[in-house]
This record gives sequence, C-alpha cells and structure tokens, in this order.
Amino acid sequence: GAVVSQHPSWVICKSGTSVKIECRSLDFQATTMFWYRQFPKQSLMLMATSNEGSKATYEQGVEKDKFLINHASLTLSTLTVTSAHPEDSSFYICSARDQRTGSPEAFFGQGTRLTVV
Amino acid sequence: AQTVTQSQPEMSVQEAETVTLSCTYDTSESDYYLFWYKQPPSRQMILVIRQEAYKQQNATENRFSVNFQKAAKSFSLKISDSQLGDAAMYFCAYRSSMIKAAGNKLTFGGGTRVLVKP
Repeated sequence: GAVVSQHPSWVICKSGTSVKIECRSLDFQATTMFWYRQFPKQSLMLMATSNEGSKATYEQGVEKDKFLINHASLTLSTLTVTSAHPEDSSFYICSARDQRTGSPEAFFGQGTRLTVV
Repeated sequence: AQTVTQSQPEMSVQEAETVTLSCTYDTSESDYYLFWYKQPPSRQMILVIRQEAYKQQNATENRFSVNFQKAAKSFSLKISDSQLGDAAMYFCAYRSSMIKAAGNKLTFGGGTRVLVKP
C-alpha cells in the first residue's frame, strides 16, 4: 500500500514556542491530507482537511490560528502548533489517500507525540 | 452528519478463539465505504478490511471477516483464530463515496480494545 511518513515521531517543546509536524506521501500524490488528534484511550478526532494549493478546512472548535496548516505541494502537508501550551500535548496523526488510483482507503503516518512542558 | 458507534469499549478473547466486534453507523447516503482499522501499541493505524456499501458480499481478509447489514446499518468484524498480535485498539470508520474533499474524510467510532489471552 501507499506510504505516508510523518516527522517527527515525538517532540518536546517549551510553552510558548511553536512546533512543526510534517506529513509526506512518499510514493503517491495527495491533493488532500487530513490531520487528526488523539487523546489517550480515545478515538481519532479530525482537526482539519489540508488542501493542496488552497486554505485548509478546519473542523468546528479547532482554532485555525493556533493550528496552522500548509499544503504547499502534492506530497507535503505541515501542521504547526503555535504558541504551544501543555493542553496541546497530544498525539497527532496525518492521513492521505492515493487519489490517482482512486483507492478508497486512507493511509496513515506514524503519528507525532507532542509534549509541551 | 454521519456517526459511527462502537458499543464495546473492550473485548477479551482466548488465543485461537473467535471474537466479534460491533459497529453501527448512521447515514442518509446510499453509497459509502466502511473500514476497520487496527491501532497496536505503536499507534500506527493499519487497515484491516474495507467494505463497499454497494457490494452485498461480505469482505474477507484471511482471519478477518465482516458482517455487513446495510439495512440495519451494522458492520461487525470477526477475528478468527485470534493471535497475540491481534491485541490492539480497533476502530470502525465510515467514508462517503462522494468525490469532494469533505466527502473524503473518515468518521471514526470510539474504538474497541481487544485483549488476547494466551
């Protein structure tokens, strides 16, 4: 199946700083990527849909100024957590579909564990 | 909006036995996809099986099979001959077949934790 690579796998940052998470589709192009947040022992919560060459679509309740999403190319989307606070500590996962093949399944990155101290 | 419900927070199964995970969903659409994803302790999401709503035949992938009841909006997963490596969180997910960005997103159920006893 298609491969989605997410980097970094884990990051620790200080309160007030920003951290960037990258999501790459390694062997396919993705005009759309998705960013999820997962709290311990809970399901994945969709944060936003990242659209190549245009603005991201955020889910209700997600602060777009805090979670900046950029999808500058067909293989890369980035999520930047700005002015991070301890409550932003979580597991963030991206996913993408290989729309070229029309395959309906989504492939996921390895996830990024963010800890804000 | 579509919703997906997994009513079993946790299921326990003896190694080599069979376990069935429940999933129900709500939608007004007639064409869509359903998935089961596995999330082991590594937290990497792994696709287990998928079902197209227009197909009446239940999907099967080796030891994993589904019971898809479209009228009842039910999509259960059966794991046969359970192995220790099957221990994980399992998420049921729904996706519309509509070709637009919003229609591509997955809606997940709350998850079921599967414990496999040796």
